[in-house]
Amino acid sequence: DQQVKQNSPSLSVQEGRISILNCDYTNSMFDYFLWYKKYPAEGPTFLISISSIKDKNEDGRFTVFLNKSAKHLSLHIVPSQPGDSAVYFCAASEGGGADGLTFGKGTHLIIQP
Amino acid sequence: DADVTQTPRNRITKTGKRIMLECSQTKGHDRMYWYRQDPGLGLRLIYYSFDVKDINKGEISDGYSVSRQAQAKFSLSLESAIPNQTALYFCATSDLPPYNEQFFGPGTRLTVL
Repeated sequence: DQQVKQNSPSLSVQEGRISILNCDYTNSMFDYFLWYKKYPAEGPTFLISISSIKDKNEDGRFTVFLNKSAKHLSLHIVPSQPGDSAVYFCAASEGGGADGLTFGKGTHLIIQP
Repeated sequence: DADVTQTPRNRITKTGKRIMLECSQTKGHDRMYWYRQDPGLGLRLIYYSFDVKDINKGEISDGYSVSRQAQAKFSLSLESAIPNQTALYFCATSDLPPYNEQFFGPGTRLTVL
């Protein structure tokens, strides 16, 4: 059973607009959530994270929102840029990340000029 | 120089062969991880290590073994490779928890014929 779900395999957004990537989880013990970005032939690169004691974390153009009651998080990218085109993975863990991460299947974000 | 390196980057082997994938890091982290990614899926945890004396199984450890030779080195072995072990393999490191992200290597593409 998949504990972290990214239900949109792909998302196309116009350059300059907001990109919103969604992630749902089922394990109520998860207390640390991360977003990674991955280009082809490279390893995942950390973008932003949030612990379960917060509901929002912001870093430049990237903001992550956490809704614990709905077991849902989202990544907002604004404004979207061509270099943002990549696969985005949502990941979660228990114990603040001690024992490894559980990943979603990823969303392929395509920024259209 | 990259903080997390993996060798080889690409490997083609035959069913039944023993294969070792190596990971080295210069970040000074105690925690190291091995993940596997299959097409259209997220990363799945194979093994992780908290230090040279502490090795733990992840979600999909069957058919794999690991060795933590030093703080900076963590190797993954396939004792007798089979075709369904064809995948991308990623090594990662992290600082002590809680709430520290994992840093990934560039990956090894393994093909078992």
